[in-house]
Amino acid sequence: GAGVSQSPSNKVTEKGKDVELRCDPISGHTALYWYRQSLGQGLEFLIYFQGNSAPDKSGLPSDRFSAERTGGSVSTLTIQRTQQEDSAVYLCASSLGGSRDTQYFGPGTRLTVL
Amino acid sequence: TQLLEQSPQFLSIQEGENLTVYCNSSSVFSSLQWYRQEPGEGPVLLVTVVTGGEVKKLKRLTFQFGDARKDSSLHITAAQPGDTGLYLCAGTTSGTYKYIFGTGTRLKVLA
Repeated sequence: GAGVSQSPSNKVTEKGKDVELRCDPISGHTALYWYRQSLGQGLEFLIYFQGNSAPDKSGLPSDRFSAERTGGSVSTLTIQRTQQEDSAVYLCASSLGGSRDTQYFGPGTRLTVL
Repeated sequence: TQLLEQSPQFLSIQEGENLTVYCNSSSVFSSLQWYRQEPGEGPVLLVTVVTGGEVKKLKRLTFQFGDARKDSSLHITAAQPGDTGLYLCAGTTSGTYKYIFGTGTRLKVLA
């Protein structure tokens, strides 16, 4: 009965480097979301997957951000040429797929860009 | 741009006191959710409300969805230290799967 897992839990990188953040959703969950949370504030929507497709990627802040999902399971969020303003906690959530189904969140990846 | 404003931003109270957190928007939402988040963890869903005027109770927590489905409140009776955390509201509009999260209310209950 594993929940949503994310790796790494913490990532420190230098400005200009690329980073990859991984999300393993709950088995059988077709919907997957990525959010960004700064300084313990509210969550900022980044992208939503249904299966391997991303019908809504409207929240990605710039073309440095991209995400993919393979096999209807694992998802990777990639940030290229990181900037200091990218520092935040990146949260992943999965759900069964309906618009009102409960989202189950992972513990997040804390990204620090020096 | 859809925004969900929460108030207050911070709240520090003594054990046993009552409190209310508000979540307001100018947009209409088809459903609204409340979450609690503890340090180092992801948010955990407390409740979903979908009908204007709906009231749901979860032990000492009472949730209300406004008649116009633009606002919501969370009332905690006889707060306990275990209620400490960041409370977030989140709304979704009809036809989308995108959740708009509120600005958050950080609650600290002192023993």
